[in-house]
Amino acid sequence: KNQVEQSPQSLIILEGKNCTLQCNYTVSPFSNLRWYKQDTGRGPVSLTIMTFSENTKSNGRYTATLDADTKQSSLHITASQLSDSASYICVVRSGDDKIIFGKGTRLHILP
Amino acid sequence: DAGITQSPRHKVTETGTPVTLRCHQTENHRYMYWYRQDPGHGLRLIHYSYGVKDTDKGEVSDGYSVSRSKTEDFLLTLESATSSQTSVYFCAISDIGGGLETQYFGPGTRLLVL
Repeated sequence: KNQVEQSPQSLIILEGKNCTLQCNYTVSPFSNLRWYKQDTGRGPVSLTIMTFSENTKSNGRYTATLDADTKQSSLHITASQLSDSASYICVVRSGDDKIIFGKGTRLHILP
Repeated sequence: DAGITQSPRHKVTETGTPVTLRCHQTENHRYMYWYRQDPGHGLRLIHYSYGVKDTDKGEVSDGYSVSRSKTEDFLLTLESATSSQTSVYFCAISDIGGGLETQYFGPGTRLLVL
C-alpha cells in the first residue's frame, strides 16, 4: 500500500535554531517527492521537488534531501524564523500518477 | 494564492441540505482539483478536472459531484450534506498535469455540517 509517514507530528524550537523533519514513504513506482509549507488558514505552498536522481535541493533556508534507496526524505530548516511556524507536508507522486500526501509536521517557532 | 479564490470561505449548514463550493482561477490553467483536509489525514483528492466538461473521480468522491463549464470555474457540490463532510476544502490548479506539475492551492473553505 502506498503510504507517506512523517515525523515528528509536531515540533517546538527556539527562533534561530535549526531543525530537521522526516518523511518515509513506501510509494512504488516512485516519480517525485515534494515538500509543501502550509501556514495556518492558508493553502499549501510548494517548497521543493525532487526526482529519483536528485538527492539535495535547496530553497533559501530550506534544504530537502532524498535517499531513494531507503525511501526517506528530510527537510532541514536553518536559522529558523517566527515565520517558519507552519505545517510541513511531504507529498510523493507515484509513477502511475497517484499523489499521496503525508499528514504533516506541525512546527512551532518560539521567540 | 496564485490567482485562485474560493467561495464561500466559511459555511455552516445542516445535514441533508445541498451545498456548492466554488473555485475560481485567473491563471487559465487546464487542471483543477478539489481536496479535503481533515485532522489525522493527509489531503485527499475528491475530484479533478482536466479541461472544460472533463472531470474524473478521486479517492474520496462518494457524496460529491463537480462541474466545470468554464476554464476558470470548478464547482464542488455536496448533494445532501452529512456530518462526515465537515472539513476544510481546498481547490488546486496546475497547468501541465502529471509528472512534475506544481499544484497551486487556494485559501480553502471551512465547512461545518450540523
